[in-house]
Amino acid sequence: DVKVTQSSRYLVKRTGEKVFLECVQDMDHENMFWYRQDPGLGLRLIYFSYDVKMKEKGDIPEGYSVSREKKERFSLILESASTNQTSMYLCASSPRYVDEAFFGQGTRLTVV
Amino acid sequence: KQEVTQIPAALSVPEGENLVLNCSFTDSAIYNLQWFRQDPGKGLTSLLLIQSSQREQTSGRLNASLDKSSGRSTLYIAASQPGDSATYLCAVSWGNQGGKLIFGQGTELSVKP
Repeated sequence: DVKVTQSSRYLVKRTGEKVFLECVQDMDHENMFWYRQDPGLGLRLIYFSYDVKMKEKGDIPEGYSVSREKKERFSLILESASTNQTSMYLCASSPRYVDEAFFGQGTRLTVV
Repeated sequence: KQEVTQIPAALSVPEGENLVLNCSFTDSAIYNLQWFRQDPGKGLTSLLLIQSSQREQTSGRLNASLDKSSGRSTLYIAASQPGDSATYLCAVSWGNQGGKLIFGQGTELSVKP
């Protein structure tokens, strides 16, 4: 079975902190994604990557950056956390040319 | 603009009923369409993937159909059970975008015992 693992289920951080969300997949997938999910707004794509060291902006990249140094790991970085970044963050991966996505269990981030 | 819409936003049915969830999308040139289930506070579980060349996919009590020409997909759930209660999300890939998915807002299903 494909497994996508996010490092934390719940996180509480203070405004202004630098926050790292980690995601690891074990199926050698080329594509990896970070989404955030908010009530009434659905899932919105923050960043995605289709290869090591490659990254593409999604629909809402402002305030975020990403890192993909190894194929299996995709990190989301909140440079200076703000309260409007309180959300559920979801990581996904998919093989190239198939686009069947597999999701992690989500990280509920609260910024206070 | 490529968009995905799901109607209704919420649905409540008695146990045992057969039901249909709807998903519509703009731009019929899709690459594939995927249905997910999400339980409260959890991640997404993939249910069915339909490639653009396929008309339907089945898994147990679930059947998903795809009609590209009309821009629609349906998820049919047979003999619903309380354990089917969850939010169901439809997502479309238009290909050539590194696997990027566009999601509908979801249908929140409640199956009453």
